[in-house]
Amino acid sequence: QQQVKQSPQSLIVQKGGISIINCAYENTAFDYFPWYQQFPGKGPALLIAIRPDVSEKKEGRFTISFNKSAKQFSLHIMDSQPGDSATYFCAASKGGTGFQKLVFGTGTRLLVSP
Amino acid sequence: DADVTQTPRNRITKTGKRIMLECSQTKGHDRMYWYRQDPGLGLRLIYYSFDVKDINKGEISDGYSVSRQAQAKFSLSLESAIPNQTALYFCATAGTPNTGELFFGEGSRLTVL
Repeated sequence: QQQVKQSPQSLIVQKGGISIINCAYENTAFDYFPWYQQFPGKGPALLIAIRPDVSEKKEGRFTISFNKSAKQFSLHIMDSQPGDSATYFCAASKGGTGFQKLVFGTGTRLLVSP
Repeated sequence: DADVTQTPRNRITKTGKRIMLECSQTKGHDRMYWYRQDPGLGLRLIYYSFDVKDINKGEISDGYSVSRQAQAKFSLSLESAIPNQTALYFCATAGTPNTGELFFGEGSRLTVL
C-alpha cells in the first residue's frame, strides 16, 4: 500500500523550462512534507520541505505548493538546468520535523535537456 | 570523509548466503535507519533505531535483521539471501531533536543470484 503516490515516473524538460512533480497522500495525520534529490551513485539529500500551515514555500528556483484540502503537494523547478537532472522523491511524516520515520513516494527521474 | 559510511558498496552473493551490510556515522546522531530502494517502488523503510536499546521494524522487515552495536554503528543482515532482495540499500541518520532532515549514506548495491 503506497501511502504517498508520486507522478510522473519520469520527466524530460528542456533547459529553461519548468519541471513539475506531483504527490498525493491519504493519511491526514501527516504534517511534514519534504522533497529529496538524488544524483546517480549518491544517497538522497534534502532539497526543500513544507509544513501544512503554509500553502507555498520557495527556495531559489525550487517551490513546493501544498493543497491541504486535496491532500496534494508538488515540486516546481523554475528555469530548469541540466544540473537538476536527478531523481526526486517526495515524502511525508507525522510528528513534524521531529518525525520518527519518513514515508517516501516512488520517485521521479528528471532529465533536463541542454 | 563521508559522515555516513556504508560497507560494502557493492556485493554479489548467492541464494542462501548470509550477508551483512554495515553503516557507521560520525554525525553523533541517535537515530539510524535502513531503507531499500527499488526502481518504481521508491525508498521503503526496513528497520530504524533511536538508540542502542531501541530497534523498530519498518514496513518491509521480513527477511532482515539489524544490530545497533553502538551509537555510531547500525548493521543490516540478510540471514539467507534470496533473489528478490536484490536492491540498493541505504543507511540514514537523524539528530535529536530532529531538524527534519535525514542524512543518507551513498548506498550498498546488493545482487543475489
